[in-house]
Amino acid sequence: QKEVEQDPGPLSVPEGAIVSLNCTYSNSAFQYFMWYRQYSRKGPELLMYTYSSGNKEDGRFTAQVDKSSKYISLFIRDSQPSDSATYLCAMSAPIQGAQKLVFGQGTRLTINP
Amino acid sequence: DGGITQSPKYLFRKEGQNVTLSCEQNLNHDAMYWYRQDPGQGLRLIYYSQIVNDFQKGDIAEGYSVSREKKESFPLTVTSAQKNPTAFYLCASKIGISGIYEQYFGPGTRLTVT
Repeated sequence: QKEVEQDPGPLSVPEGAIVSLNCTYSNSAFQYFMWYRQYSRKGPELLMYTYSSGNKEDGRFTAQVDKSSKYISLFIRDSQPSDSATYLCAMSAPIQGAQKLVFGQGTRLTINP
Repeated sequence: DGGITQSPKYLFRKEGQNVTLSCEQNLNHDAMYWYRQDPGQGLRLIYYSQIVNDFQKGDIAEGYSVSREKKESFPLTVTSAQKNPTAFYLCASKIGISGIYEQYFGPGTRLTVT
């Protein structure tokens, strides 16, 4: 079983829809939870990160963490065609003095005008 | 402009040849990383380095080698021992190895071996 599971999609929704992206994890040592956005043929860029269970909002994006269920989500409101990208969840745990990131498989999202 | 550069963007090699991928950063970051990305598998860590002249194996280091002779440079060599080298390779850097800081990624190099 992978430490981090993410539905690879692809996911296709109409413009303006609310998008929900999810990851589950098995390692209780994960402390920090991140969402990266990756446009085609580019490197990932950090979108949001959270530490504690609960919600964190940034504009149209909301990151949600439920540590008891080992489940994280990213919600995108009023989705735009420019949101079309691959979204990667990532989780961080301390290993031998270093913070190691473990990535999900990525979900490919397309917003249709 | 501060950032990470990777070159070349596309690289083609014949099977059995070693190939070196370049990664340079001018962010003055101590920590640097190499990841491999395959369709449906996310990013997997190959090697990472905390300081000059020091580096550690990641989860899939077999068939790869690195060096860190300068703080700003962390080249990755894909050797002929790597059984399935065709992939998208991403270099990243971070201020420090132990804190929670943002990892900045380069634009990637797509390597195709035939």
